[in-house]
Amino acid sequence: GENVEQHPSTLSVQEGDSAVIKCTYSDSASNYFPWYKQELGKGPQLIIDIRSNVGEKKDQRIAVTLNKTAKHFSLHITETQPEDSAVYFCAASTGGTSYGKLTFGQGTILTVHP
Amino acid sequence: DVKVTQSSRYLVKRTGEKVFLECVQDMDHENMFWYRQDPGLGLRLIYFSYDVKMKEKGDIPEGYSVSREKKERFSLILESASTNQTSMYLCASIGSGSGNEQFFGPGTRLTVL
Repeated sequence: GENVEQHPSTLSVQEGDSAVIKCTYSDSASNYFPWYKQELGKGPQLIIDIRSNVGEKKDQRIAVTLNKTAKHFSLHITETQPEDSAVYFCAASTGGTSYGKLTFGQGTILTVHP
Repeated sequence: DVKVTQSSRYLVKRTGEKVFLECVQDMDHENMFWYRQDPGLGLRLIYFSYDVKMKEKGDIPEGYSVSREKKERFSLILESASTNQTSMYLCASIGSGSGNEQFFGPGTRLTVL
């Protein structure tokens, strides 16, 4: 089955800096790669996703890049703010008949210091 | 606004007890999932259901069972709770025709003593 590895496990940045979180996946059939943000006391919430036919996607201060050949994808947050502090999870899915199943990475605790 | 609710935010049980965790979604979603979340291990899929009375094992089903008698409700059952089942449990749902976003509940922090 699919295996997703996520690094780093913790990331500490100063407000205004950029943050990058990287993930690798094992199943070449995976074609959907979402990123979830989990704030304290809440369930994870989708913040951005990318499909295999696209190399990069941006939404304001966040962007995701995908390298299908190398089987890795990354989350980029620019101009970080204290409210970006949370746990971030990457995930991968093969879509199709998988019923929306996702395989998640181990998570990254991002701390943005004011 | 979409909503997934879980019956308890915090739960404390004794070893050997039978434990029920309930999840309800109001989005008419076909597919529902139960995960456990542990530090350094991310979210691991326990069971999922793609229709009423249908269920499939996830990656770590041992020690758990599930029930889906109604479309909106998906229950996770710990037949005989053990201390290694102390964890955060998250429920999620996704509609077959609504894209790929899974919507999560707030989680249940279960402690087994």
